[in-house]
Amino acid sequence: NAGVTQTPKFRILKIGQSMTLQCAQDMNHNYMYWYRQDPGMGLKLIYYSVGAGITDKGEVPNGYNVSRSTTEDFPLRLELAAPSQTSVYFCASSYGEGTNTEAFFGQGTRLTVV
Amino acid sequence: ILNVEQSPQSLHVQEGDSTNFTCSFPSSNFYALHWYRWETAKSPEALFVMTLNGDEKKKGRISATLNTKEGYSYLYIKGSQPEDSATYLCALFTGNQFYFGTGTSLTVIP
Repeated sequence: NAGVTQTPKFRILKIGQSMTLQCAQDMNHNYMYWYRQDPGMGLKLIYYSVGAGITDKGEVPNGYNVSRSTTEDFPLRLELAAPSQTSVYFCASSYGEGTNTEAFFGQGTRLTVV
Repeated sequence: ILNVEQSPQSLHVQEGDSTNFTCSFPSSNFYALHWYRWETAKSPEALFVMTLNGDEKKKGRISATLNTKEGYSYLYIKGSQPEDSATYLCALFTGNQFYFGTGTSLTVIP
């Protein structure tokens, strides 16, 4: 099993550019999440989804958009990149029910906006 | 938003020492408490998922306890080894979201 796959691993964007961070999981998990991690800070939730067609804002959604057209994929879109979006982004998924609630994380995407 | 606090922020111990960290939370309004191990340049990996007050989990030299009435969980490492060096994250799962603490960074000195 590949688990949670994130692409790209690294990216440099210019201010105002757009990009999509890809996330795919092959564990048939219902729940998927996008987090950002800034130096000295914990993981902050950007958006999450509890199933295909359903998305909700997390703690820091401004400047981002998501979609969940399939169970497997949960892309994160940055429309107009700003230096404040320089961060490491993690996608995670979870079965979310019963005792199977642990989150599985992708390898992260390090994004720099210059 | 649930405020999950972890202490200490960082810890340096000698190889062979036993150590413990604390995760504090304001209420018992959550479905499960998770502990994750996060090594540098990798992604977090689950250590334990705890759902009941008084629950205790163990994996080798690492164990964890949960006290929902008093709002804390402890993670214990017995006989620390250099390979235990990592950041240990605590998270509350509310049924649809995780709320993570900022972690305890452990360095085990050989």
